[in-house]
Amino acid sequence: ETGVTQTPRHLVMGMTNKKSLKCEQHLGHNAMYWYKQSAKKPLELMFVYSLEERVENNSVPSRFSPECPNSSHLFLHLHTLQPEDSALYLCASSQDSAGAYNEQFFGPGTRLTVL
Amino acid sequence: AQTVTQSQPEMSVQEAETVTLSCTYDTSENNYYLFWYKQPPSRQMILVIRQEAYKQQNATENRFSVNFQKAAKSFSLKISDSQLGDTAMYFCAFHDYKLSFGAGTTVTVRA
Repeated sequence: ETGVTQTPRHLVMGMTNKKSLKCEQHLGHNAMYWYKQSAKKPLELMFVYSLEERVENNSVPSRFSPECPNSSHLFLHLHTLQPEDSALYLCASSQDSAGAYNEQFFGPGTRLTVL
Repeated sequence: AQTVTQSQPEMSVQEAETVTLSCTYDTSENNYYLFWYKQPPSRQMILVIRQEAYKQQNATENRFSVNFQKAAKSFSLKISDSQLGDTAMYFCAFHDYKLSFGAGTTVTVRA
C-alpha cells in the first residue's frame, strides 16, 4: 500500500450504531487530519493530530471521537450520528502540522450514509 | 476568519482549449501559501500547484499556471490544452496557520 488509505470506502449506519473509520498513511508523516466534505460546501477541518497528539478540534460534536494510536494510524469513532452527518470523510497527512508549505496527501475517503 | 471563495460552481471546456478558474480569499496576514487541489471522480485529492505569497512570480506546473494578484487577494488557475483527464473538482486552498478550502469548481472537459 502506498500513500494514504482509508477503510471502509462506503458505510451505511443507523443513528444508534457505533462504527469506526480507519486511516493509514505510508508516507512517514507526522501530522494527520480528518475532514468532512459535504456537497457544495468547503471542506471542513475536523481534527488535527501532530505526533499522535491532538492539536486542533474544530468544535466538532462529541458523537465524533478521534483516536491516533501512532503517527501512521488515525481513527474516527462514530456514535449516535444524525442524518446530517452523511458526507464524505477524508483523511490526510503531511510532514508536519505547522509548516504552511507542506502539501497534504489525501486518502480516497469514506462515503458515510446515516439512516 | 479565513474565507476562500470560488464563484464558479461548474465549468465546461472543450478538449485542447483553455479554462480559467477563479478564487478569492480574505486574510489580514502577509505571509501565507495558496494551493489548488484536484479531486477526480475517483475522489483521491491531489495537489496541482502551490504559490508562496512572498513570491511575485506566478507558479507554473506543465499545463497548469496561476495568476496571483496579492493586492486583490485573487488566485486563479489556468488549465491550458485541456485533456479529458482534467475532468475533476478543483479546490482552492489557503494556508497561514491552517488550511482552508473553497467550495470547489467542477470542471468537465468535453471530447
